[in-house]
Amino acid sequence: AQSVTQPDIHITVSEGASLELRCNYSYGATPYLFWYVQSPGQGLQLLLKYFSGDTLVQGIKGFEAEFKRSQSSFNLRKPSVHWSDAAEYFCAVARQNAGNMLTFGGGTRLMVKP
Amino acid sequence: EAGVTQFPSHSVIEKGQTVTLRCDPISGHDNLYWYRRVMGKEIKFLLHFVKESKQDESGMPNNRFLAERTGGTYSTLKVQPAELEDSGVYFCASSQVLAGGETQYFGPGTRLLVL
Repeated sequence: AQSVTQPDIHITVSEGASLELRCNYSYGATPYLFWYVQSPGQGLQLLLKYFSGDTLVQGIKGFEAEFKRSQSSFNLRKPSVHWSDAAEYFCAVARQNAGNMLTFGGGTRLMVKP
Repeated sequence: EAGVTQFPSHSVIEKGQTVTLRCDPISGHDNLYWYRRVMGKEIKFLLHFVKESKQDESGMPNNRFLAERTGGTYSTLKVQPAELEDSGVYFCASSQVLAGGETQYFGPGTRLLVL
């Protein structure tokens, strides 16, 4: 069974500082990989996704993520965090076939200090 | 284009009562998924429709949960009778299958509290 681990439950960074959120997955083959964000009182918004090709993917709001097959990781990064980035971030994987469920990590709650 | 919508946004009911959650997917999306996040836990898959057919309902916790998708459009998830442990946020997502991959788009969720 596939699983996703987000080791950091909470992270606090200062505004303007860089950010890296970790995600590791366990799966027999390369899955599809996603990062979603949930702002307070909102639903899940897709930040970015990896299906194939270039292992560095760009997303919305200045986020990027890098797929590292050897480490089974898909870490999310942002060079300079804004106060509006405070939210909960979820890494998710899905099998590389159409119509398959997402398996989510436990989420990382990001707080941004002024 | 309208996104995935869910109704109600919040529901507070007493144990033993019935609650029905509704999801309207993005127009043209054949795939519809239900997920749930109970307090302090991961977001977990409940079931998957392709049009009006249940493709995978392996995540449904027990027979108190009943999901339908009328005519392959909107979907309802009924909990009857509700128990305390059913409290959480219920998310709906929809997708269409495109060459190269599938992306699920989520609704805002329904926050259910069972007292």
